[in-house]
Amino acid sequence: QVQLVQSGAEVKKPGASVKVSCKASGYTFGDYGITWVRQAPGQGLEWMGWISAYNGNTIYAQNLQGRVTMTTDTSTSTAYLELTGLRSDDTAKYYCARDRGIMYVLNWFDPWGQGTLVTVSS
Amino acid sequence: QSALTQPPSASGSPGQSVTISCTGTSSDVGGYNYVSWYQQHPGKAPKLIIYEVSRRPSGVPDRFFGSKSGNTASLTVSGLQAEDEADYYCSASAGGNNVVFGTGTEVTVL
Repeated sequence: QVQLVQSGAEVKKPGASVKVSCKASGYTFGDYGITWVRQAPGQGLEWMGWISAYNGNTIYAQNLQGRVTMTTDTSTSTAYLELTGLRSDDTAKYYCARDRGIMYVLNWFDPWGQGTLVTVSS
Repeated sequence: QSALTQPPSASGSPGQSVTISCTGTSSDVGGYNYVSWYQQHPGKAPKLIIYEVSRRPSGVPDRFFGSKSGNTASLTVSGLQAEDEADYYCSASAGGNNVVFGTGTEVTVL
């Protein structure tokens, strides 16, 4: 079955960086995109950006540009999210999700990974 | 990009229907037919239940119905069941190939 499995929880200090992985299985990785969404504790969903697993093109949310980098490793069917300059308000659960678009984001996110909790605290 | 506006809560008795609105602008909800809805149970990852305004993925019951008029999209859940108690989020494609989510609606089955 189609599955996305994310890396484990992280605790980081303010100013540090974090890299979260998302390993895909059950489908042809390069035929889809991957989107990243985060959810602060008790809050709603926030779209962070998208990467095409076909050609590596990326689109980042404007408020995160300069701090976020999304990459893929097609040899291992894994997507990565790196966020730098961490602040306390970056504390959230980070989700990856498969998107049907490979040239642009199609807002069809299915399925989702289990989420990775990133805690930023001094 | 501002979040789409949803009512914070909605409720209904088992068997009844509940409708959730999702209001945006002509730059997102009104501008494209890429409106999706996601269901999220407590402590779980979101699940896609509607895409492209009104299409249901395989396995989603036809009790879930999506529609759009102008800058407002709606999700109707008919024949409410206890398992429908969850948070629901709309999302829409926006200008510049971005995506914006709604503020979320907590649905309670009375």
